[in-house]
Amino acid sequence: DAGVTQSPTHLIKTRGQQVTLRCSPKSGHDTVSWYQQALGQGPQFIFQYYEEEERQRGNFPDRFSGHQFPNYSSELNVNALLLGDSALYLCASSLNLGEGEKLFFGSGTQLSVL
Amino acid sequence: GQQLNQSPQSMFIQEGEDVSMNCTSSSIFNTWLWYKQDPGEGPVLLIALYKAGELTSNGRLTAQFGTTRKDSFLNISASIPSDVGIYFCAGQIVGSQGNLIFGKGTKLSVKP
Repeated sequence: DAGVTQSPTHLIKTRGQQVTLRCSPKSGHDTVSWYQQALGQGPQFIFQYYEEEERQRGNFPDRFSGHQFPNYSSELNVNALLLGDSALYLCASSLNLGEGEKLFFGSGTQLSVL
Repeated sequence: GQQLNQSPQSMFIQEGEDVSMNCTSSSIFNTWLWYKQDPGEGPVLLIALYKAGELTSNGRLTAQFGTTRKDSFLNISASIPSDVGIYFCAGQIVGSQGNLIFGKGTKLSVKP
């Protein structure tokens, strides 16, 4: 039973570039959430996708966008990269239960912006 | 925005000792989750709590959902070297599916 898988594991970009990160949810899960984790901090919620639509969004600018595909996998896109976007980007999947979801995380994509 | 205060920030303990850490919130949560994160990995779910007063165990780990719904604690009994890592509490507000609010973590170091 595959867990949450993310690709790539590491990425180096320069300021102003665009990046796409990918996530496949745990088998049986239909909901994907994305988090940003800066060094030494807890993860911060970016947004959640369910039924191919953005359902909830955290306090992140429109440069951060996403997509969910019919097979429940998801992408996170970040445009016009800033140095401050350097972080570990975590994908979490869950089964939509309405309340009390258990989120299972992937190993993340470490993004460095130079 | 909502804040979670997690304490202590770090702990150095001897192998075999018991460990206790806690989180407090300015908001009422309907779910508390505890995660452990190792270097270079994503957080791994340890325990999930859904009702005020709930006490749940997972092996040597025990966690409780505070009766005010604004706090939670995690205890680890008889610590071993593999308990090393960063422990995060996370809470979810009613109606905010997927939006977990995380604490800043407790870094646990175990001396053999």
